[in-house]
Order: sequence, then C-alpha cells, then structure tokens
Amino acid sequence: AQSVAQPEDQVNVAEGNPLTVKCTYSVSGNPYLFWYVQYPNRGLQFLLKYITGDNLVKGSYGFEAEFNKSQTSFHLKKPSALVSDSALYFCAVRDGAGGGNKLTFGTGTQLKVEL
Amino acid sequence: SAVISQKPSRDICQRGTSLTIQCQVDSQVTMMFWYRQQPGQSLTLIATANQGSEATYESGFVIDKFPISRPNLTFSTLTVSNMSPEDSSIYLCSVNRQGPNEKLFFGSGTQLSVL
Repeated sequence: AQSVAQPEDQVNVAEGNPLTVKCTYSVSGNPYLFWYVQYPNRGLQFLLKYITGDNLVKGSYGFEAEFNKSQTSFHLKKPSALVSDSALYFCAVRDGAGGGNKLTFGTGTQLKVEL
Repeated sequence: SAVISQKPSRDICQRGTSLTIQCQVDSQVTMMFWYRQQPGQSLTLIATANQGSEATYESGFVIDKFPISRPNLTFSTLTVSNMSPEDSSIYLCSVNRQGPNEKLFFGSGTQLSVL
C-alpha cells in the first residue's frame, strides 16, 4: 500500500520569508513523488516531481523539493514567499515498482502568505 | 503537456437526479482517471477508465452509482447517479503521461452541489 502524510493543515508565512510545506510518504518500492497546487475554483496544477536522480528538484514558480530517502520525506520549499503563493498544496506518491498508475494524495496544506 | 476540457464547470442539482460530466483531452491517452474532492478533503480516486474496456473502480465506488464511458482515446464521461447531498464535491478528470516526463494533468473540475 502507498500513503502520504501532510502533517500541517495550514502554514502561515510572511512575504519574503522562506516557506516549507511538509510531506512524508510510504511505499513498498521506489517512490515517484509529486507536488500539486490548487488555486481557488481551479483544477490542480503540477509543480514538480521526483522520480530518480538528484535529490533536490526544482519546479515551477521558484519552488523546490528535497527527496530524503532515510526520512521518507519530500518537503516543498521556496526561499522567498509571495502573497500570490497562497493556495492549497498537495503532495502525492506513486509506487514506481508495480504501483500501477494510481496516485495517492495527501490531505493538503493551505499556505497563507501575508504582507 | 495535455489540455483537458471538463464541463460543466459547476452545477446545482436536485436530490435523486443524475449529472453527466464530460472530459475532453487534446491528445490520445490510454488511461483517464476520475477523482472526487469532497469539501475540505483530499482527492480520492473514483475509477480508472481505459478505452474499450470497463472502468476499474476503487474501493467504495461502484459502477451503478458512478457509470463511466470511454468511447475513444480522447473522451470520457462520469455520471453521478441518483444524487444525494453527500455527493456534493468537486469532480476532476485527469490523464497521466508516464515516462521521464511523467505527470498527472487535471481538468479544471466540476463543482457539484446537490440540494
């Protein structure tokens, strides 16, 4: 079975400060990890993914995430937050070894960036 | 990338009626996925739709309640049958591009409210 945990329902950060949105996962095989963002009344937009290679992956809008195998984590980060980053963020995982095409999503973290 | 057109974008329906949601992709895809996002919750996979075969439903979802059609490689429909207020959710279709550039693309979603 595969699962994802996003321990924080909401993260508040001041504009210009660094932000971190946490994600931990559990899979039997190799993890394929994704971050998606959802703006109000919009569908989900892809931010970045880790499948293999460099543990630090860079994605859209200045976001990055670090794959940590020992801690089974894939935290989303940005060095300097913008008010426009305020949205709902989802972490997702797929088991690369026989997990089929099914993505399992976390419960989401609401990011609020304030002036 | 993939452009996914989903309609209707929102609807308000009466209890006991049915609604069919359409999903059109701008290119041929083998599998299409239907997700549900209940208020304040994460995405839950309803079923996987393959062209030319019956959809594969996840635990807790049945064909009588959520019949799916997949007449060709670019189109699918999801029907929410005999609706109740508990069916009020956002319904999202998606497609997965596997391989080195793997990512799941989402339609903009259908906001369904059942009175």
